[in-house]
Amino acid sequence: QKEVEQDPGPLSVPEGAIVSLNCTYSNSAFQYFMWYRQYSRKGPELLMYTYSSGNKEDGRFTAQVDKSSKYISLFIRDSQPSDSATYLCAMSRGGSQGNLIFGKGTKLSVKP
Amino acid sequence: DAGVTQSPTHLIKTRGQQVTLRCSPKSGHDTVSWYQQALGQGPQFIFQYYEEEERQRGNFPDRFSGHQFPNYSSELNVNALLLGDSALYLCASSSGQGALGYTFGSGTRLTVV
Repeated sequence: QKEVEQDPGPLSVPEGAIVSLNCTYSNSAFQYFMWYRQYSRKGPELLMYTYSSGNKEDGRFTAQVDKSSKYISLFIRDSQPSDSATYLCAMSRGGSQGNLIFGKGTKLSVKP
Repeated sequence: DAGVTQSPTHLIKTRGQQVTLRCSPKSGHDTVSWYQQALGQGPQFIFQYYEEEERQRGNFPDRFSGHQFPNYSSELNVNALLLGDSALYLCASSSGQGALGYTFGSGTRLTVV
């Protein structure tokens, strides 16, 4: 079993739709949970991070972490064509542990 | 303010050859981490350099080695290239050793033929 599982999609939605992206994980030592966005031929850029369980909202984006179920989600409201990208979940044990464990990424396409 | 700069952007090498990839961190960052991203996969951690030393290493063979210079820039070296080493190599810089606050470069696309 991989440490982090993420459905690679692809996922295609109409503009304005609510998008739900998810990851599951197996290592209960993970404390930091992140979502990165990666455009084609670019490096990943951090969208949001959450420490431990709970919700975090930033504009149209909401991140949720359920440590009891080892399940994290990213919701995108009022999706835009500019949101079309690959979304990667990533996790870390925190502290001085410098390595991130990434999911495979979900490729999202938002159609006008 | 320049972000993370990687060179070259693309590279084609033959099996068995050696390659060196370069990374200049974002201004103010002192730590450099390297990741390998195969096609259709998420990035995988190779190693992290801080204070010119390799501090953490992922599950990669000794063919992968690196260096960090006093100006915090870094090199990734791969010896005896295999076809399976074809990937996007990403450099991420940060302040300190933690995994928060990463800024990624756009990567070097390495193709091994």
